[in-house]
Amino acid sequence: DSGVTQTPKHLITATGQRVTLRCSPRSGDLSVYWYQQSLDQGLQFLIQYYNGEERAKGNILERFSAQQFPDLHSELNLSSLELGDSALYFCASSGVGGGSPLHFGNGTRLTVT
Amino acid sequence: AQSVTQLDSQVPVFEEAPVELRCNYSSSVSVYLFWYVQYPNQGLQLLLKYLSGSTLVESINGFEAEFNKSQTSFHLRKPSVHISDTAEYFCAVTRGGGSTLGRLYFGRGTQLTVWP
Repeated sequence: DSGVTQTPKHLITATGQRVTLRCSPRSGDLSVYWYQQSLDQGLQFLIQYYNGEERAKGNILERFSAQQFPDLHSELNLSSLELGDSALYFCASSGVGGGSPLHFGNGTRLTVT
Repeated sequence: AQSVTQLDSQVPVFEEAPVELRCNYSSSVSVYLFWYVQYPNQGLQLLLKYLSGSTLVESINGFEAEFNKSQTSFHLRKPSVHISDTAEYFCAVTRGGGSTLGRLYFGRGTQLTVWP
């Protein structure tokens, strides 16, 4: 058990809809990362938050947004969903020190129909 | 930016045979290197990491990886694999030198399949 909790585990929705994915980091970890995993793109970094502030941005679409709350949990919002957004979305957290490894949750599998 | 190339997308081997999963990285700065393993329907789990010091790092389940700066490689090896090692393995790199930026750049993964 990595200590990172993601909900829900599975999500099935229709094109054009909006969903919210939730992540609780490991106790004490200030950094939260979101990754998208798909067969054609592999693991793509979306965005990183550190103690409530956006720290780094990757290949995140404008239709997607995220935030980290004062209690350090994070949410990833996906809107105007398209079939191509179907993927596994992972949240990870890490500590502060340089080289601190990322600890991953079990992911949310999103299926857009 | 950093990038990672995993040269083999699939590696099939028989049980008790040795295996090497290859990983090369590209970076203009010092790096930290990681191997993660992903079992079906699970998240990624840290297998081992190189931050500094000895270039040979080991995991608790018999895997080892060697950091080779001149060849910009971080290949993963195991002298004798078990069926339970069947999984997807990801090599990852992040900026080193004490950087706290943290984001990992992943390779495309290598599916290791161990046959009885």
